[in-house]
Amino acid sequence: ETGVTQSPTHLIKTRGQQVTLRCSSQSGHNTVSWYQQALGQGPQFIFQYYREEENGRGNFPPRFSGLQFPNYSSELNVNALELDDSALYLCASSLGLAGGNEQFFGPGTRLTVL
Amino acid sequence: AQSVAQPEDQVNVAEGNPLTVKCTYSVSGNPYLFWYVQYPNRGLQFLLKYITGDNLVKGSYGFEAEFNKSQTSFHLKKPSALVSDSALYFCAVTSGGSYIPTFGRGTSLIVHP
Repeated sequence: ETGVTQSPTHLIKTRGQQVTLRCSSQSGHNTVSWYQQALGQGPQFIFQYYREEENGRGNFPPRFSGLQFPNYSSELNVNALELDDSALYLCASSLGLAGGNEQFFGPGTRLTVL
Repeated sequence: AQSVAQPEDQVNVAEGNPLTVKCTYSVSGNPYLFWYVQYPNRGLQFLLKYITGDNLVKGSYGFEAEFNKSQTSFHLKKPSALVSDSALYFCAVTSGGSYIPTFGRGTSLIVHP
């Protein structure tokens, strides 16, 4: 098991609502990346935070936003939820940017939008 | 734009036989390549990576991968498969000019006793 934790484990929301997912990074890691993994697909990069600033964003609309705190933990916020947002949301931490460094993944948050 | 292809949705192999999980990629510039494994209801676990240097990379749990620049491939291999290797395997790529990893769709490895 990695030292990356995510909460909650499961979440059910209705269309139009807002959700906040949380991630605690592995000790010493300064970068957190967020991914969306739909059923039967590979993880899709949402964005990453390096030392509290967004550094790289995938093809996701602005209603997906995030924060990284001074202790390097992170939040993913999704506004105006849509049915297609139903997925497993993975958080990964690394020492340095995700492009060249191995990432340590949390177990994920399963979001269901009804 | 960078991309990854894992041409096989599923690979079946008998325990004790060698296994190969295929991955090809497309990037601008030099590739950084990764393999991850995902067990049911778990996050991804890092297996190995290629950044530069020797084309044969050794990783966790006896896995290795060979970087082939001319064929733009990075196939994952293991000389002798175990039933416990059964899982979902993901190849990922980025390049020196991008900090955004692109993952393949994954290959389900099933090792039969």
